[in-house]
Amino acid sequence: AQSVTQPDIHITVSEGASLELRCNYSYGATPYLFWYVQSPGQGLQLLLKYFSGDTLVQGIKGFEAEFKRSQSSFNLRKPSVHWSDAAEYFCAVVLPEYGNKLVFGAGTILRVKS
Amino acid sequence: EPEVTQTPSHQVTQMGQEVILRCVPISNHLYFYWYRQILGQKVEFLVSFYNNEISEKSEIFDDQFSVERPDGSNFTLKIRSTKLEDSAMYFCASTQGENTEAFFGQGTRLTVV
Repeated sequence: AQSVTQPDIHITVSEGASLELRCNYSYGATPYLFWYVQSPGQGLQLLLKYFSGDTLVQGIKGFEAEFKRSQSSFNLRKPSVHWSDAAEYFCAVVLPEYGNKLVFGAGTILRVKS
Repeated sequence: EPEVTQTPSHQVTQMGQEVILRCVPISNHLYFYWYRQILGQKVEFLVSFYNNEISEKSEIFDDQFSVERPDGSNFTLKIRSTKLEDSAMYFCASTQGENTEAFFGQGTRLTVV
């Protein structure tokens, strides 16, 4: 079945440590790829997006993500996590041939310990 | 910075009542969306709206749901007769064009009792 998978429901990292959040998709064609962040009680904020071109994408707040076609993955990374990064992170895709809607993964809750 | 605004932030309603959730998309955007997130579950697409008509809807968006753009700024989601399972966070989003990034509102938390 076509889907977006975020295998980690919760991740806990120490402040200052590096972070990688995983995202895989199972679609025949390469979708447009997004990472959104949701802080408690807040809406969804776009961190970064990939449509085409350079497979390493830089986003806001020091985040980056790498698209790997061979692995159908779009993992989110940050070299040094800050306490304010604690939030829920959603990977999402758009399949242009099926319209403009976003299809979301289940989300990964990031906890940061000091 | 332009933003999508949603009102109210929280609404409690009795089962069977009608609710209208309101959204003001970004002014130069042309595509409008509603998504919902039931507590502990994924964010799910409900409906997209372009050129004053629904362009796509999910199986969740049944006859109890409707959307409207009554004037040049507001975009509303109406649930005619709410059920307990309609309790969720409802997000409005807008995009400038096809396949451009979506900007989301802060959400309306709907609680049906």
